[in-house]
Amino acid sequence: DAGVIQSPRHEVTEMGQEVTLRCKPISGHNSLFWYRQTMMRGLELLIYFNNNVPIDDSGMPEDRFSAKMPNASFSTLKIQPSEPRDSAVYFCASSLDSRETQYFGPGTRLLVL
Amino acid sequence: AQTVTQSQPEMSVQEAETVTLSCTYDTSESDYYLFWYKQPPSRQMILVIRQEAYKQQNATENRFSVNFQKAAKSFSLKISDSQLGDAAMYFCAYRGSGGSNYKLTFGKGTLLTVNP
Repeated sequence: DAGVIQSPRHEVTEMGQEVTLRCKPISGHNSLFWYRQTMMRGLELLIYFNNNVPIDDSGMPEDRFSAKMPNASFSTLKIQPSEPRDSAVYFCASSLDSRETQYFGPGTRLLVL
Repeated sequence: AQTVTQSQPEMSVQEAETVTLSCTYDTSESDYYLFWYKQPPSRQMILVIRQEAYKQQNATENRFSVNFQKAAKSFSLKISDSQLGDAAMYFCAYRGSGGSNYKLTFGKGTLLTVNP
């Protein structure tokens, strides 16, 4: 079975530009998570969806960040406008349900110049 | 709030030897889950092993095993017969069973080097 798929794997953009990260969870998983990893803060949960509905977005840093899950097989994380401090690795993870093990995608390495 | 502490920023081991990575956590819950994830240079987060707090038996996955001490709130990872491919950052993670039972809390990680 395919694991969690993320695209792009690498993104380099200039400050002020819009960035969209994409995620396809494992088929049949009803829970989806977006994490951000930085040297300073480690791994942080940004937002959690259950059955395509955002349940907890308390980790989203500010209004520049938004996430959607239009259907069970696709989610996006958008940053608009991007800033250099947004540079990080962004992971998407999915699980069968909220109480099951989370499986991570390969991550998107974002660099904002 | 739950916290996870990995007191060893870096560890090294000789190939074929055994190494133990430490993890402690703080929680007031009695039922929870603990995980070790491996992050190689590719940055992929890979699940190594999982332990349910209600199970007394320590989890084992091939060369990887844990020493789970619930009273001491300790969850160490033992890697036996270390291989070059085990070199990675290892993260300990906690997930509760209460209202936020979806939330993984990670430690800062331990960078493991395997010497040939």
